[in-house]
Amino acid sequence: DTEVTQTPKHLVMGMTNKKSLKCEQHMGHRAMYWYKQKAKKPPELMFVYSYEKLSINESVPSRFSPECPNSSLLNLHLHALQPEDSALYLCASSQAGTAGATQYFGPGTRLLVL
Amino acid sequence: GQQLNQSPQSMFIQEGEDVSMNCTSSSIFNTWLWYKQDPGEGPVLLIALYKAGELTSNGRLTAQFGITRKDSFLNISASIPSDVGIYFCAGHNAGGTSYGKLTFGQGTILTVHP
Repeated sequence: DTEVTQTPKHLVMGMTNKKSLKCEQHMGHRAMYWYKQKAKKPPELMFVYSYEKLSINESVPSRFSPECPNSSLLNLHLHALQPEDSALYLCASSQAGTAGATQYFGPGTRLLVL
Repeated sequence: GQQLNQSPQSMFIQEGEDVSMNCTSSSIFNTWLWYKQDPGEGPVLLIALYKAGELTSNGRLTAQFGITRKDSFLNISASIPSDVGIYFCAGHNAGGTSYGKLTFGQGTILTVHP
């Protein structure tokens, strides 16, 4: 099973709202990732968690707050977003360690900020 | 930083034709990955390559890890309409602070005419 699930599939929010994106995997992977993707562009890395600890933050604005409650779950908390934050948000997972290159992506959450 | 040049940017082909796309890098990678992304969905891993010179097939897909470790190609034989989508290459270098980070190509948009 190489499935990563993400909820919700679509999300519309105002600039003053607080919402959360959720990601789950049951592959036993100990590394999980958040990416942002604009139309017809490659994914851009936002955060990396390794063994439930934040290991990479790619200088993401604080209005995006990641959380890794356990080895299977990854959340992205959103607050006071801007219209330019509208994008497809992708979660991915991989084995940790030297096998961590092979990342499996979820279907994404399409976010629209009004 | 590392950059990947993926070509061609787009391809328009007839059903049944073979397709070839490639990625070149200014620096070496330890892993090459090829993904396919359908509109509104997350990237799906097609082939993973871990060793210089490695040639791997997955059905009608064949990919190779270049001997110099700086390039990779993906071939699709006998294309069908469901091959339509955006294909991304991605490289990974396990060393230093780049661990966990994939470097993506800009994508090849494939259109298949029935």
